[in-house]
Amino acid sequence: GQQLNQSPQSMFIQEGEDVSMNCTSSSIFNTWLWYKQDPGEGPVLLIALYKAGELTSNGRLTAQFGITRKDSFLNISASIPSDVGIYFCAGQPPYNQGGKLIFGQGTELSVKP
Amino acid sequence: KAGVTQTPRYLIKTRGQQVTLSCSPISGHRSVSWYQQTPGQGLQFLFEYFSETQRNKGNFPGRFSGRQFSNSRSEMNVSTLELGDSALYLCASSASGTGRAGYTFGSGTRLTVV
Repeated sequence: GQQLNQSPQSMFIQEGEDVSMNCTSSSIFNTWLWYKQDPGEGPVLLIALYKAGELTSNGRLTAQFGITRKDSFLNISASIPSDVGIYFCAGQPPYNQGGKLIFGQGTELSVKP
Repeated sequence: KAGVTQTPRYLIKTRGQQVTLSCSPISGHRSVSWYQQTPGQGLQFLFEYFSETQRNKGNFPGRFSGRQFSNSRSEMNVSTLELGDSALYLCASSASGTGRAGYTFGSGTRLTVV
């Protein structure tokens, strides 16, 4: 089945540093979504990408939908302590009947003040 | 606008029992998807309902089932619980389920099977 490889698995950074994480797949996706999950809560949507090559920002977050439709990255600039959490990429397969997302394994981000 | 509401938040069940979880989507959303999240397997798609019809199904055994009501609220049921069913069960709602409007997740139901 389709799988997403997300890297890195974890990151330990200093407050103020920039962060970059990415997802790759052997299959194409029609939509890429980036979520953040805090302990005990459901994932919260950060950025949605719908077109190959699309570059979208949400405050300090920037994400891109890869040209090949098989990858996406998320950058966080000038990290702050509240950025701590687990970040997931998710892709929606083509010819999808609806509602199915394939998730990456997650990137756990720790920020040292 | 109220978010996605899942009840109960926590549940402890004994092996062999069955359980029903509930999800109320955002008002106006007709698509409800269910996911299982475990440390080992991550987030895995269970199934999706749209206008009371199951449109998509993941690779889970038949013990996992669901349904959707005319008001778009959805329930999932797990019969003959196994220890490995312990997980965070998340539902997500979407206006169309095509991804265009994104998917909003609830806070989940933490199921522990003992």
